[in-house]
Amino acid sequence: GDSVTQMEGPVTLSEEAFLTINCTYTATGYPSLFWYVQYPGEGLQLLLKATKADDKGSNKGFEATYRKETTSFHLEKGSVQVSDSAVYFCALSDSRGYQKVTFGTGTKLQVIP
Amino acid sequence: GAGVSQSPSNKVTEKGKDVELRCDPISGHTALYWYRQSLGQGLEFLIYFQGNSAPDKSGLPSDRFSAERTGGSVSTLTIQRTQQEDSAVYLCASSPSGEQFFGPGTRLTVL
Repeated sequence: GDSVTQMEGPVTLSEEAFLTINCTYTATGYPSLFWYVQYPGEGLQLLLKATKADDKGSNKGFEATYRKETTSFHLEKGSVQVSDSAVYFCALSDSRGYQKVTFGTGTKLQVIP
Repeated sequence: GAGVSQSPSNKVTEKGKDVELRCDPISGHTALYWYRQSLGQGLEFLIYFQGNSAPDKSGLPSDRFSAERTGGSVSTLTIQRTQQEDSAVYLCASSPSGEQFFGPGTRLTVL
């Protein structure tokens, strides 16, 4: 079945550091790929998405590129801020049927001033 | 506009009691999902509704768990004879198609 593997956290960075959170997936067909973010005390919200190979999703300075050849969707940001501290979930949506979403286990990011 | 709402936000119950968790999706969203998030874990899929029917119940962990949706809107997740391992945050999401919109969750603690 479908699965998502993302790097374990927590990840601790200093403000303005470069961020990479790795995500790889296993799926049949052509899934859509997502990054969701969960800020402290809040619900999950969509950060960015990509629906086909080589697409780049971007939002709030974050980017991720859908790499079919490496089955990856790594999240990057050039300069993190304290306000980026949150848990980040990589996810994929089955392209068949009702688009069941499979989530990774989440990576906690802590940015220190 | 209003997002997905869930109630209660927190629920503490004793082992063996039944609990009901409620989800109000965004108006017009035909798809509704329930997930469970245990401490330090990812999101565990429980059940999916399309309208009032549930084509995929494969994530329900045992027959103590059940869910229904009425009027293509509100959904209720019921856990009977709660166990301590049921303690988790239960998340609901609704979707028009593709992207999911999540509620704030219900934190369930079984003593």
